[in-house]
Amino acid sequence: EVQLVQSGAEVKKPGESLKISCKCSGYNFPSYWVAWVRQMPGKDLEWMGIVYPGDSETRYSPSFQGLVTISADRSITTAYLQWNRLKASDTAMYYCARLYTPMSPFDSWGQGTLVTVSS
Amino acid sequence: DIVMTQSPDSLAVSLGERATINCKSSQSVLHSSNNKNYLGWYQQKPGQPPKLLIYWTSTRESGVPDRFSGSGSGTDFTLTISSLQAEDVAVYYCQQYYTTPLTFGGGTKVEIK
Repeated sequence: EVQLVQSGAEVKKPGESLKISCKCSGYNFPSYWVAWVRQMPGKDLEWMGIVYPGDSETRYSPSFQGLVTISADRSITTAYLQWNRLKASDTAMYYCARLYTPMSPFDSWGQGTLVTVSS
Repeated sequence: DIVMTQSPDSLAVSLGERATINCKSSQSVLHSSNNKNYLGWYQQKPGQPPKLLIYWTSTRESGVPDRFSGSGSGTDFTLTISSLQAEDVAVYYCQQYYTTPLTFGGGTKVEIK
């Protein structure tokens, strides 16, 4: 069974750093891309970027380029999303999802990680 | 970026009746190399992640009831729930995966009348 299990909710202050994770199992991790998707409270779904664990290639949405870093560790079949300096506007639910190619639908999703940034 | 516009924002349908959701893309998502529309539909219930319902415009994901169907081509697409059930209450999103950044519609909230 394909499973993407994300790390737990986080409460951070503006300016702090954060790295959240997405543990993937039940499939050949290096052969599928992993995407990160933001959903702000009551808002749309936004594609942030993707990583290919096979060779660590990453692609970012222009809206998120330079603001976050996406990575993957093949040895522990885990993908990551990190921020160096959080802002209050980063408060949102973040989902990881699996896709076969960069131009594919997301066929499995993590349960989501709620990130709250507040002073 | 390709902008995906859904309508209506919300709709209320009686149990057993048909629900129709529209999605329009700002440019064609039909790929000439394989004649496929790079368009999918997702269902998101409260407190849950989205779930893939339909891909390539009209192909149902495994396990999705056949009351869900998708149609359209180019820039105009439709998701139809032929006979609404109580468990179908959710927000539905279309998504284009024709080009990065992949983009979603704003969502349509389906409720019971």
